[in-house]
Amino acid sequence: EAGVTQFPSHSVIEKGQTVTLRCDPISGHDNLYWYRRVMGKEIKFLLHFVKESKQDESGMPNNRFLAERTGGTYSTLKVQPAELEDSGVYFCASSRFGPPSSGNTIYFGEGSWLTVV
Amino acid sequence: LAKTTQPISMDSYEGQEVNITCSHNNIATNDYITWYQQFPSQGPRFIIQGYKTKVTNEVASLFIPADRKSSTLSLPRVSLSDTAVYYCLVGDKAIKAAGNKLTFGGGTRVLVKP
Repeated sequence: EAGVTQFPSHSVIEKGQTVTLRCDPISGHDNLYWYRRVMGKEIKFLLHFVKESKQDESGMPNNRFLAERTGGTYSTLKVQPAELEDSGVYFCASSRFGPPSSGNTIYFGEGSWLTVV
Repeated sequence: LAKTTQPISMDSYEGQEVNITCSHNNIATNDYITWYQQFPSQGPRFIIQGYKTKVTNEVASLFIPADRKSSTLSLPRVSLSDTAVYYCLVGDKAIKAAGNKLTFGGGTRVLVKP
């Protein structure tokens, strides 16, 4: 079974440009999450999809960030325009729908490393 | 949100058992305790999850006392490749959904020496 895959693995862009990160969750996983860790900080939750619906986007930092999951499969996270403080690693994660008692653990991808210069 | 507290770092030697204790005094009734391992430049990797008492898998054991205000991850006979950051997390139930929103702390940096 393939794990959570993310693309690109690394990206370097200039301030003001746009970057789109993609995440392919594990097949069959309805829950999809985005997390990020910026320099020197802890990993922080950004948002949570259940299929194509945004269930919780309380962690999105501002309106420069837009996440989509059309069709309930893969997801994209777009940063427009990018700022220097957006540099960090963006993790995508997925899990099956259901409580932990049913084995609903969250699996992370390798991350997309973003550098804004 | 249930906050977790764990040691910033721990050193060990190959072949030893490593025990990392995490405090989560405000854990909610429905919360599960999950431990993740993270190597540099990689995403967190699920190790073990439990609700109470003891859970064991091929990688580790998790001990949870009756009050659930703490938990201990036990790594038997560590090797150099176990050098990583270990995160203790208590899942927050997402509103209207059965998924978990994880709250990461600083983790414990475990260094295994030869």
